Parts: sequence; C-alpha cells; structure tokens
Amino acid sequence: GAVVSQHPSWVICKSGTSVKIECRSLDFQATTMFWYRQFPKQSLMLMATSNEGSKATYEQGVEKDKFLINHASLTLSTLTVTSAHPEDSSFYICSAGSGGNYEQYFGPGTRLTVT
Amino acid sequence: AQTVTQSQPEMSVQEAETVTLSCTYDTSESNYYLFWYKQPPSRQMILVIRQEAYKQQNATENRFSVNFQKAAKSFSLKISDSQLGDTAMYFCAFRGASKLTFGTGTRLQVTL
Repeated sequence: GAVVSQHPSWVICKSGTSVKIECRSLDFQATTMFWYRQFPKQSLMLMATSNEGSKATYEQGVEKDKFLINHASLTLSTLTVTSAHPEDSSFYICSAGSGGNYEQYFGPGTRLTVT
Repeated sequence: AQTVTQSQPEMSVQEAETVTLSCTYDTSESNYYLFWYKQPPSRQMILVIRQEAYKQQNATENRFSVNFQKAAKSFSLKISDSQLGDTAMYFCAFRGASKLTFGTGTRLQVTL
C-alpha cells in the first residue's frame, strides 16, 4: 500500500516552454502533497506544500508564478514549470501524506532537462 | 527552524561489516519524528527506519537500528551485516509540526 506515482519519469523541453508533472496517490487519499527539488549530489529541498482544494504554500525563495501547483483532487497534484530555463533542469520529487499520518510516501521522481 | 546535520559526506564499509551513520538535529519542539531514508541510484526514496521522539526505545528494522539520544539531539543509523545492495545515499530527516527537513546526506559504498 501507499504507492505514489509520477508522470513523466523523464522529460526534455525547450527553453521558454512549459512542462507539467503529475503526482498521483494510487491507493490512498492524499490530503497533503509536497513537491521537492533535488540537484545532483544534493539533498531534497522542499518547494511547496499543497492541501487538496487549497492554494499551495511555497517555501521562501520559490517563485509561485513559475512553479504552479494544483491539488484539485485527493489523488492528484500537478507541478507546472512555466517558461522553463536551463537552470530549472533538476530532479523533481513529490510525496503525499494522509490526514493526521505523519508519514510521507514518495514518488519515483521526474528528471527535467531544459535545452 | 529545524536543522539536520550529517557530518559524514561519504563512507565506505566492507560487505558483512557494520557501519554507523551520524545525524544530529536542532529543534525546540517536543513532539517530532525522525527518519532515515535510503536513495539508491534509481533515486526512489525508500524509508529505512523511523523513530517517534516520545519513545525511549531505539527503533530496529532487521539489520538497521538507530541510537536515539534525545537530550543530545542525536540520531545515528547502524547497518549490520552490510550488503552490496545497501550502497546508496542515506538521508536523515526530521518531521515536527509542519514539514520534513532533510540532512545533506551520506553516500555509503559497500565493497567486497
């Protein structure tokens, strides 16, 4: 149980275009979803927290107009990188939590390359 | 704000030996959870072990155990009988009232 999927697993896009990454909880209802960014050989950095039906809460330094997060249902959250630039190239990981459960379940990640 | 410190960027251990990864944290919260995650080359985050701060007993999961010293704010991971499949990045993480905070990670290499 507690499986989280991400799609796509790998995406290449051209500079200036937008790309959407999906995060789905497959066997539980995710009241809260988290989006992380991980650069090579570095740790996970939280970008934003989203609760179903509410606006996402962004961490300091994360541009909310560039990284659009939607959590429209209890099983799906999306991260859209708008007007992508090469410096947005990174590994993006989502995780999901349920109700008062303190544990988070991680997706397999999405590698974004902006050319 | 909570901070999590892993002072060992890289470690190496021979197969079947025991290795301990260090982690310290700083918080003013009294109720929290601590985790060790493994990230193999696939980059999928895998939960290795968790510890509730209110529990004095150290958590164990098969070959993995922790040494939780609440007063010292220390949470080390011991891997016994190391296996080649244990080769990965290991992240210590703290979860208080809000978000999960990760340490910088320790890269563990298990050798023959």
